[in-house]
Amino acid sequence: EEQLVESGGGLVHPGGSLRLACDPSGFIFSRYTMYWVRQAPGKGLEWVSSIIESGRTVSYADSVEGRFTISRDNAKNSLYLQMNTLGVEDTAIYYCVRAKSGDLDYYFDLWGRGTLVTVSS
Amino acid sequence: SYALTQAPSVSVAPGQTARITCGGINIGGKSVHWYQQRPGQAPVVVVYDDSDRPSGIPERFSGSNSGNTAALTISRVEAGDEADYYCQVWDSNNPRVVFGGGTKLTVL
Repeated sequence: EEQLVESGGGLVHPGGSLRLACDPSGFIFSRYTMYWVRQAPGKGLEWVSSIIESGRTVSYADSVEGRFTISRDNAKNSLYLQMNTLGVEDTAIYYCVRAKSGDLDYYFDLWGRGTLVTVSS
Repeated sequence: SYALTQAPSVSVAPGQTARITCGGINIGGKSVHWYQQRPGQAPVVVVYDDSDRPSGIPERFSGSNSGNTAALTISRVEAGDEADYYCQVWDSNNPRVVFGGGTKLTVL
């Protein structure tokens, strides 16, 4: 069964850091572009970051640029999100997501269950 | 940056048809993907590339896209369809993922 399992969430003070991890299984991880998508409590979905198969190209939403770093280790089958200088606005469930190629672009065909990050004093 | 507009809520009686729309400038020129998110669960893709269904998604779910509006249509609505639905596209001018604000489908 194809699966994504996130870990690393928790409670952190404003200005603090957290490192999220995503462990894929059931598919060849190195063949897919991967994403982090977050959802603040009671709010909609927000794209956070993406990384291509090789890891050489990454992208970030403006809201996290300069504070978050996405990375992957294909040998270890893992995806990461290093989050620094966290603010209360970063409080959200963070989903690890697999992108699949469609006709024109990508869509998200596999989602993890998410890990909750709470930023609070 | 590109923006998608969805109505906050749609209500429909069981057995009826629900139409959830997603507005965007010339969205007909983009591929639109739709996600269902049941309470407490992660999103699941129900329609991709405007009108294709992943395996396991009932034929009751269909999509269309033209002009400035894309739509997800759910026929013969069931109680289990009650969820939030999000549309999603790529902003090709600024390679970023864009989500609509979501529509809460209530089955009366």
